[in-house]
Amino acid sequence: DAGITQSPRHKVTETGTPVTLRCHQTENHRYMYWYRQDPGHGLRLIHYSYGVKDTDKGEVSDGYSVSRSKTEDFLLTLESATSSQTSVYFCATSAGGSYGYTFGSGTRLTVV
Amino acid sequence: AQTVTQSQPEMSVQEAETVTLSCTYDTSESNYYLFWYKQPPSRQMILVIRQEAYKQQNATENRFSVNFQKAAKSFSLKISDSQLGDTAMYFCAFMIGGNQFYFGTGTSLTVIP
Repeated sequence: DAGITQSPRHKVTETGTPVTLRCHQTENHRYMYWYRQDPGHGLRLIHYSYGVKDTDKGEVSDGYSVSRSKTEDFLLTLESATSSQTSVYFCATSAGGSYGYTFGSGTRLTVV
Repeated sequence: AQTVTQSQPEMSVQEAETVTLSCTYDTSESNYYLFWYKQPPSRQMILVIRQEAYKQQNATENRFSVNFQKAAKSFSLKISDSQLGDTAMYFCAFMIGGNQFYFGTGTSLTVIP
């Protein structure tokens, strides 16, 4: 995953505070995704982007927003963090076609 | 709706033995791709194997092979000669439209020495 960097790797934050997670890619992939991973739920799509400034909602988008001002960066913002947003967040990229995703190493977010 | 079902939340296998992880999916699409990803304790998601739905031949990658039954919408993963490093969470997924992925809930595999 040398081409995808997520930051921070770990974060603890308080309920009600805004949080931004960053995904940076050097793959020049068109598509970028944010997932959350929770036990018993697998990976659930939060938001995705199919180009600069082109984003759309996934199945669990409530409470999250995203921005993509450059091809290489995809930001996920929790406007007002809640304990239910404690999770591991993964960024993934894809060039499209049949080769699947390239994943970042994940961010473990704890909301206390 | 697109769904992926992994009915085995946890499995274990003795080192050097063979284990099969099951996966079923549901889609009305005719053109799609199937994947198995491995997530070791390091948390990194690693692609294990992929299969094109239009190919009848089952994909194989070293000790990993799949049994793809398109009519039954089944895509199981067989791990031969299991090794301690195979201990991980395994996710089944399929992709349609070139960029829309759907994941199962995962199977936690433990290889016992």
